[in-house]
Amino acid sequence: EVQLVESGGGLVQPGRSLRLSCAASGFIFDDYAMHWVRQAPGKGLEWVSGISWDSGSMGYADSVKGRFTISRDNAKNSLYLQMYSLRAEDTALYFCAKVGCSGASCYDHWGQGTPVTVSS
Amino acid sequence: DIQMTQSPSSLSASVGDRVTITCRASQSITTYLNWYQQKPGKAPNLLIYGASSLQSGVPSRFSGSGSGTDFTLTISSLQPEDFATYYCQQTYSTPRVTFGPGTKVDIK
Repeated sequence: EVQLVESGGGLVQPGRSLRLSCAASGFIFDDYAMHWVRQAPGKGLEWVSGISWDSGSMGYADSVKGRFTISRDNAKNSLYLQMYSLRAEDTALYFCAKVGCSGASCYDHWGQGTPVTVSS
Repeated sequence: DIQMTQSPSSLSASVGDRVTITCRASQSITTYLNWYQQKPGKAPNLLIYGASSLQSGVPSRFSGSGSGTDFTLTISSLQPEDFATYYCQQTYSTPRVTFGPGTKVDIK
């Protein structure tokens, strides 16, 4: 059974940093790209960042470019999101998602999310 | 970036109704279009990928169609467990994917 478990969220002051983790199991982790998606309270889904299976390619939403860094450790079956210079508008539930569906590309599995609140 | 719109933004329907949700892309995305269902407090769940392929385990009352810029999600006979918010997603410009704003389906 595929499982994605996020951790590392919490309450943080504006301007500070936070590192999210996503522990994967139940599939061959280094065969798949992985993404982060967030959802602000009461709002829709927003893509944040994605990384290829081999870390050779990464992408970021304009809203987080230069402040967030995505990485992965295939030996540990783990995905990370390092967040710097956090802003109130980064407050959201952060999901990690496995990219599947072969050529169609979709998120076929999601974690339960880890909440991030940026407030003084 | 490719922009996605959905209509309606919300709808009220009864159990047994046929429900149709529309999604439009700002440019052609061929069939790189997915549909997700999200219930309050839960992660989204994949329903349809590649515009019309039903994800394993998803009831056959869900179907998707379309290509290019215009897409449709249809629920043939709404069930109580289908009351949720539905999002479309384009993956044509992977990894820079974008979601539609969502359509909330509630009970009439």
